[in-house]
Amino acid sequence: NAGVTQTPKFRVLKTGQSMTLLCAQDMNHEYMYWYRQDPGMGLRLIHYSVGEGTTAKGEVPDGYNVSRLKKQNFLLGLESAAPSQTSVYFCASKSSGANVLTFGAGSRLTVL
Amino acid sequence: QQQVKQSPQSLIVQKGGISIINCAYENTAFDYFPWYQQFPGKGPALLIAIRPDVSEKKEGRFTISFNKSAKQFSLHIMDSQPGDSATYFCAASMETSGSRLTFGEGTQLTVNP
Repeated sequence: NAGVTQTPKFRVLKTGQSMTLLCAQDMNHEYMYWYRQDPGMGLRLIHYSVGEGTTAKGEVPDGYNVSRLKKQNFLLGLESAAPSQTSVYFCASKSSGANVLTFGAGSRLTVL
Repeated sequence: QQQVKQSPQSLIVQKGGISIINCAYENTAFDYFPWYQQFPGKGPALLIAIRPDVSEKKEGRFTISFNKSAKQFSLHIMDSQPGDSATYFCAASMETSGSRLTFGEGTQLTVNP
């Protein structure tokens, strides 16, 4: 049982480039989330989804887009990367009847 | 605007000592208060959680104390061990918000042998 898998684990981008982070979960969870973690700021919610085909904005959505075309996958896109988006990104999921979030191992993104 | 404030930012404790991390929240609609533990290179994992209808919850060496009137809650780690060295995050959520967690800033705990 893999849980929550994030790809890639590391990526370096130049300012203005685009990329997509993939999150896949095999637990049949309805809810999925993307957080970013920055030193001294905890984890901040970027976007989330309460089910296949639905997405919603979190605390810090600007500069990011998401899609949930399949229940098991939640994609986070950066259309034009900026140095301020240098961060560690975490995907998480949970079932609709529970409160416990299962997190992936993170994706470290550096924007030069 | 940080709705959940956590302190201290870092904490060094000797093996066998008590580690105490504090959090304060602003939104009285929060109804679920978990603590997550994160080891380097890993994602956070749920450690213990409490709802506001109880003032304390204990699981092994870990205890959450909750003060609803003060809008504060804290994590106590008794008999701290080097293996407890990690980053700890408090969080809060509302049932009606899709269980979106609002996290505190995190506390880096180091337990010296």
